[in-house]
Amino acid sequence: SYVLTQPPSVTVAPGQTARITCGGNTIGSKRVHWYQQKPGQAPLLVVYDNSDRPSGIPERFSGSNSENTATLTISRVEGGDEADYYCQVWDSRSDHFVVFGGGTKLTVL
Amino acid sequence: QVQLVESGGGVVQPGGSLRLSCAASGFTFSSYGMHWVRQAPGKGLEWVAFIPYDGSDEYYADSVKGRFTISRDNSENTLYLQVNGLRAEDTALYYCAKDRRSRGWFFDCWGQGILVTVSS
Repeated sequence: SYVLTQPPSVTVAPGQTARITCGGNTIGSKRVHWYQQKPGQAPLLVVYDNSDRPSGIPERFSGSNSENTATLTISRVEGGDEADYYCQVWDSRSDHFVVFGGGTKLTVL
Repeated sequence: QVQLVESGGGVVQPGGSLRLSCAASGFTFSSYGMHWVRQAPGKGLEWVAFIPYDGSDEYYADSVKGRFTISRDNSENTLYLQVNGLRAEDTALYYCAKDRRSRGWFFDCWGQGILVTVSS
């Protein structure tokens, strides 16, 4: 089955840029979606189709996808961005049509 | 605004059954695919099942195939998940999630989740 690999944790200082990666075999050929989940809350879609933002999501959140790595970039990080972030793709050949990465805990110092 | 409210969870013994419901409002329910996604305590997200806007088909993760059944009632704006043969590893917070498109296979709105605990 298709596997998405994320780093367990990323730490960044306020005002800096956080980059969260999502590795997968030829992931560049897939559409990648990103979710933010704060403690005790449901996930929130922050980037879809590799680089599009839903309405209401700040421009500080951006995405890219190429070859074997997709990246969520959060510019000018704020304390309120501290959360778990999950990447997700659709893979019709997987035992799970929808595949999530294991999640990355973003800590803002 | 879009709202999804799950109900029907609880504590059940191994081998037991539950019927989860998700009441939808704020959008044209009959135009969008719907999913169930679960999250075990302290763990990541796991997709469970999908049903297209018209209920014409069903898709399941291998881990629940043959035990869970997804369905919908477009006249009542409600999504269901019948869960049978429950196992300890099915213990999780179950989220109802709206597909961004009819078959986009990603989620632009989530409920707050309903807890299912499988324990003797």
